[in-house]
Amino acid sequence: GENVEQHPSTLSVQEGDSAVIKCTYSDSASNYFPWYKQELGKGPQLIIDIRSNVGEKKDQRIAVTLNKTAKHFSLHITETQPEDSAVYFCAASFGGGGGADGLTFGKGTHLIIQP
Amino acid sequence: KAGVTQTPRYLIKTRGQQVTLSCSPISGHRSVSWYQQTPGQGLQFLFEYFSETQRNKGNFPGRFSGRQFSNSRSEMNVSTLELGDSALYLCASAGQAPQETQYFGPGTRLLVL
Repeated sequence: GENVEQHPSTLSVQEGDSAVIKCTYSDSASNYFPWYKQELGKGPQLIIDIRSNVGEKKDQRIAVTLNKTAKHFSLHITETQPEDSAVYFCAASFGGGGGADGLTFGKGTHLIIQP
Repeated sequence: KAGVTQTPRYLIKTRGQQVTLSCSPISGHRSVSWYQQTPGQGLQFLFEYFSETQRNKGNFPGRFSGRQFSNSRSEMNVSTLELGDSALYLCASAGQAPQETQYFGPGTRLLVL
């Protein structure tokens, strides 16, 4: 089955700096790659997703890049703010939105924004 | 539009008991998936239901089961609870198109003593 590796497990950056989280996946058939943000006591919230026919996607301060050949994808957050502090999860699935196959998640990155 | 709701939010059980958790998807969504989240194993896929049929299942023992009703609401059941079943159980709903995104509920925190 699919295996997703996520690095780093903890990332501390100064407010206003950029943060980058990287993930690799094992199954070349995977074609959907969402990123979720989870705050304490809450369920994961989708922040951005990318499908395998696209190499990059951007939404304001957040961007995701996908390299299908290398089987890795990355989350980029620019101009970080205190409210960006949370645990971020990458995921991969085959079949589109992950409904049928289920999402395979990375272990998560605890992002800490230092004031 | 209301989000995914899960009940109860917190639950304490003892070993050997069984438990039923409930999930109401976003209105109009027909796909409901269940995930288990633990500090050690992270987020793991349990199963997914679409139009009352289980379409896929993760690598969990048969003690974990689920069902979906005609109104798309779903329940999951865990029988003969073990200490290791203590976790946050998350439900996610998605629409019916092949490329639909999954939206998560707040989860049910289960503690097994």
